[in-house]
Amino acid sequence: EAGVAQSPRYKIIEKRQSVAFWCNPISGHATLYWYQQILGQGPKLLIQFQNNGVVDDSQLPKDRFSAERLKGVDSTLKIQPAKLEDSAVYLCASSLVRGGGYEQYFGPGTRLTVT
Amino acid sequence: QQQVKQSPQSLIVQKGGISIINCAYENTAFDYFPWYQQFPGKGPALLIAIRPDVSEKKEGRFTISFNKSAKQFSLHIMDSQPGDSATYFCAARIKAAGNKLTFGGGTRVLVKP
Repeated sequence: EAGVAQSPRYKIIEKRQSVAFWCNPISGHATLYWYQQILGQGPKLLIQFQNNGVVDDSQLPKDRFSAERLKGVDSTLKIQPAKLEDSAVYLCASSLVRGGGYEQYFGPGTRLTVT
Repeated sequence: QQQVKQSPQSLIVQKGGISIINCAYENTAFDYFPWYQQFPGKGPALLIAIRPDVSEKKEGRFTISFNKSAKQFSLHIMDSQPGDSATYFCAARIKAAGNKLTFGGGTRVLVKP
């Protein structure tokens, strides 16, 4: 079974530029998560999708971050404009269903450096 | 309160020794406590998990101890091996919150040969 795929793996941009990350979850997984992992910290949930609907975006900085999950499969996370403090690894995860008891499978992440 | 506090931030153990990582939480609504292992350049991977109605769970060399009254849980890595060198995260979940995970800050473990 293929895992969660993410691209690009690395990205370096200057502050105030925009950037987009792509995630392809495990086939059949209805729930998709985007996490931000700042160096030396645990992952922090940014947004959670159930199919193509948002179920939790309470920690997403909506003035600069946006995410979509068209057709309930792939997802993109965008930052516009980027700030220095956005430097982090952005992890995508997916799970089979929204309810409890199902493991979240993580992708390898996209390491973003904002200069 | 959604925080999960993890300690120590890092530890060094000799091969064959025991690694112990501790976590504490405040929210009694948490109903599932997984531990994740993360290698450099990789995403976290589920290692072992426990529910609050169980005091201990063992899988191979990895054991979770859970103290519900103290709101604490810990990971023990027995017979630590160099291949166990990684960052370990505890986490906690509230089922009613849609499987949302709250992570601890992580512990970097280095096992010396």
